[in-house]
Amino acid sequence: KQEVTQIPAALSVPEGENLVLNCSFTDSAIYNLQWFRQDPGKGLTSLLLIQSSQREQTSGRLNASLDKSSGRSTLYIAASQPGDSATYLCAVRRSTGFQKLVFGTGTRLLVSP
Amino acid sequence: DTEVTQTPKHLVMGMTNKKSLKCEQHMGHRAMYWYKQKAKKPPELMFVYSYEKLSINESVPSRFSPECPNSSLLNLHLHALQPEDSALYLCASSQGLAGDTQYFGPGTRLTVL
Repeated sequence: KQEVTQIPAALSVPEGENLVLNCSFTDSAIYNLQWFRQDPGKGLTSLLLIQSSQREQTSGRLNASLDKSSGRSTLYIAASQPGDSATYLCAVRRSTGFQKLVFGTGTRLLVSP
Repeated sequence: DTEVTQTPKHLVMGMTNKKSLKCEQHMGHRAMYWYKQKAKKPPELMFVYSYEKLSINESVPSRFSPECPNSSLLNLHLHALQPEDSALYLCASSQGLAGDTQYFGPGTRLTVL
């Protein structure tokens, strides 16, 4: 059974810092991995999707990497801003059968001015 | 337009009530999903529709009844719910089932008294 863990569970940083969020998964047979952002009480916004054959994806100040063999992904946020404050979730899809999203436990990020 | 809309935003109902949640997308997506999210937990998949047919039911109690009247609409009919069913209900859609990016709606916050 795929298990997805995110560390740290919560993170508080001052504005302007570069930061890294971690995601680990137990079964490396994944189809792809997706990073989402969720504001309190709101829906999920897709940030980046990395296919299993890719090593990284970039969008603006965000960079996500994937090391499938070690079961790890990182989300790098450059020059953090208060508007980045949210919960960040990673989710993996397995490579066989129905490709259900298995979500991680999330990292709550607070960026203070 | 990459928007998934959900109504209502908030719903309070008694255990004997019958209510419905609605979800709509106009992106031409052929897969639609219902998720349940409890506070400070990741979303959990409930149902998947593909081409307007129910593909996946994640062993959800029968007091939750999904319906897909057409390719743009997804409903979740609620009857005889329990207080522990109180949660954020999220709808999502994707182009297909094959690992495509899922786009989430803002959710309906349901409280069962």
